[in-house]
Amino acid sequence: DAKTTQPPSMDCAEGRAANLPCNHSTISGNEYVYWYRQIHSQGPQYIIHGLKNNETNEMASLIITEDRKSSTLILPHATLRDTAVYYCIVRVAASNTGKLIFGQGTTLQVKP
Amino acid sequence: GAGVSQSPRYKVAKRGQDVALRCDPISGHVSLFWYQQALGQGPEFLTYFQNEAQLDKSGLPSDRFFAERPEGSVSTLKIQRTQQEDSAVYLCASRDQASGNTIYFGEGSWLTVV
Repeated sequence: DAKTTQPPSMDCAEGRAANLPCNHSTISGNEYVYWYRQIHSQGPQYIIHGLKNNETNEMASLIITEDRKSSTLILPHATLRDTAVYYCIVRVAASNTGKLIFGQGTTLQVKP
Repeated sequence: GAGVSQSPRYKVAKRGQDVALRCDPISGHVSLFWYQQALGQGPEFLTYFQNEAQLDKSGLPSDRFFAERPEGSVSTLKIQRTQQEDSAVYLCASRDQASGNTIYFGEGSWLTVV
C-alpha cells in the first residue's frame, strides 16, 4: 500500500472550516484514499473514503486532486469535539486482507 | 450489537501473567482485525481473520501473542508471559464487505503490565 505524508499538527478556530492535507504521490490506480480520526481514549472512527471523485457525507468532504497524488479532508464547521488525530490512509479496498496501515496522522486542535 | 465490542476495557497484569482480550465484531462481518497501539503512536496491524481462518498474522510481535476465532465470530487475543513492552491499547476491528469494505473499530482494551 502507498505511503502517505501528513503535517503532524494543525490548529483551527471553532466554527471555521478545517482543511487537512495529505500527500500520497505513489498511490496506485486501484488504491482508495481513506480518512479515519481518533478522539482521545477512543478507537479510530471512519470518516470518508474515495477513489478519484470528490466525496461528501454528513461528516466531511474529501477533495482528491486530478492526478490523485494528494487530497484534502474538509470539516466545514469545526467544533471542539472535532479535536482528534486524523489519519489519511491509502489501500486497495478489495484486496485479500484490506488492512489499514496507519501513519502518525495529523493532530487537529480546534480552539474556541 | 451495534458496534464492535471489546472486553475488558482496562486490564492491569503483573509481568509474567497471561492475559486474554475478547472481541465481538459487528454481526455478519466476515473480516476481523487486531491492532496494537502504543502511547502516542498510530495503530499497528497484528493479525487478520476471514471467518475462522487466520489469513495474515505477519504483525504479531512474538510467539507469546496468539489469536483465535474458532467459530468465525468472537475472537480472542491471548498474550502469554506478559512483559512491560506489551503495555498498549489493543484494538479490534471488523469489516463490512457489503458496503465499500469500510473497517469499523472497537474502543480498545487498555493493557498495562506492571
